[in-house]
Amino acid sequence: GEDVEQSLFLSVREGDSSVINCTYTDSSSTYLYWYKQEPGAGLQLLTYIFSNMDMKQDQRLTVLLNKKDKHLSLRIADTQTGDSAIYFCAEKDYNQGGKLIFGQGTELSVKP
Amino acid sequence: DAGVTQSPTHLIKTRGQQVTLRCSPKSGHDTVSWYQQALGQGPQFIFQYYEEEERQRGNFPDRFSGHQFPNYSSELNVNALLLGDSALYLCASSRSDGKNIQYFGAGTRLSVL
Repeated sequence: GEDVEQSLFLSVREGDSSVINCTYTDSSSTYLYWYKQEPGAGLQLLTYIFSNMDMKQDQRLTVLLNKKDKHLSLRIADTQTGDSAIYFCAEKDYNQGGKLIFGQGTELSVKP
Repeated sequence: DAGVTQSPTHLIKTRGQQVTLRCSPKSGHDTVSWYQQALGQGPQFIFQYYEEEERQRGNFPDRFSGHQFPNYSSELNVNALLLGDSALYLCASSRSDGKNIQYFGAGTRLSVL
């Protein structure tokens, strides 16, 4: 079956690094994505990674992909209070290429 | 360049009524997808439209239907509303290039009383 799992909460201090983890089940997934959702808002695309890559870096964001373990992580360096939000990982459904399968989201709380 | 826009922002309906939500895609995008996000959950795929046709559909009943217009904008219709239809409805647009990189609008908050 299709399932994307994330831990529900993460709390860090301002200036620390945050690591948000995700596991997915479809080993045929070609693209994986990270989105950010602030209260009352839609989803903001942060980054995505193609399955033939192990790592992608974009400013303060680093995505690591372990295909063998079907594990995806998002590292935010120098976390700021403005990074407080819910973070969703998503995979592209292999059979229905238009469908994104989302995890339940990880609520990141950044304390000053 | 405007991103994905949705209207209305909020809507209150009663059980049994019908509702229409609207979405304009990002410039240059030809594909529109709709998602339902219940409180505290991740978005659930409803369907995707491309070339004015429903291309893929998630596990939602026929009460949920849609349409895509020649200018790529889209509507989501929900008939015979149930209390459980209360949710944030998100529209996402993308290019038909295989990457399926979807950009989301701010959503329509639907409350069914």
